[in-house]
Amino acid sequence: DIQLTQSPSFLSASVGDRVTITCRASQGISRYLGWFQQKPGKAPELLIYAAFTLQSGVPSRFSGSGSGTEFTLTISSLQPEDFATYYCQQVNDFPLTFGGGTKVEIK
Amino acid sequence: EVQVLESGGDLVQPGGSLRLSCAASGFTFSGYTMKWFRQTPGRGLEWVSSITPRGDKTYYADSVKGRFTISRDNSNNRLYLQMNSLRAEDTALYFCTSTQCSGGKCYPAYWGQGTLVTVSS
Repeated sequence: DIQLTQSPSFLSASVGDRVTITCRASQGISRYLGWFQQKPGKAPELLIYAAFTLQSGVPSRFSGSGSGTEFTLTISSLQPEDFATYYCQQVNDFPLTFGGGTKVEIK
Repeated sequence: EVQVLESGGDLVQPGGSLRLSCAASGFTFSGYTMKWFRQTPGRGLEWVSSITPRGDKTYYADSVKGRFTISRDNSNNRLYLQMNSLRAEDTALYFCTSTQCSGGKCYPAYWGQGTLVTVSS
């Protein structure tokens, strides 16, 4: 199975900060990676797919990059509604797997 | 507006069975791969199963293979998950998702609110 390791697992930041989350895959997955945001009591929401393609309706302050084994999610200017947990997921091969999550909290 | 709505979650005894249902609307259901996921505080998000648009190919996590069966009814825009021989470790919030496909790979794009399955005596 492909393991995804996210870092950091916890991040404290202020409104307006630039935030970067990293996801590392245990083997190459080309660009077959998605990023999700989940708020307490809600279902995950797809932010980015295919490593860098913004899902429809997602604000442009979110961006993704990377390929192979290393990927990043960047929020260019953190907004109050962005405080949440973020997950990466690979769809390169079955079983589909998720990273352990990064919780972004208010500093 | 794309919507998926899960139902069927319940409290069931170990070894029991349950059938989850997912009603889809707002998109051409028969044209999309569909997926089931589950989430627990301890194990996080887990993929459970996927099914191709026509239902001709199905895929399962090893933890549920042989016990769970995914199926779909394209005439009624419904996705199902038949869960047999349930175990305590199947306790989770189960999500149905439609997909966004790119480069031949499909990402879970639209999620329902989830349906809770509790396996306990």
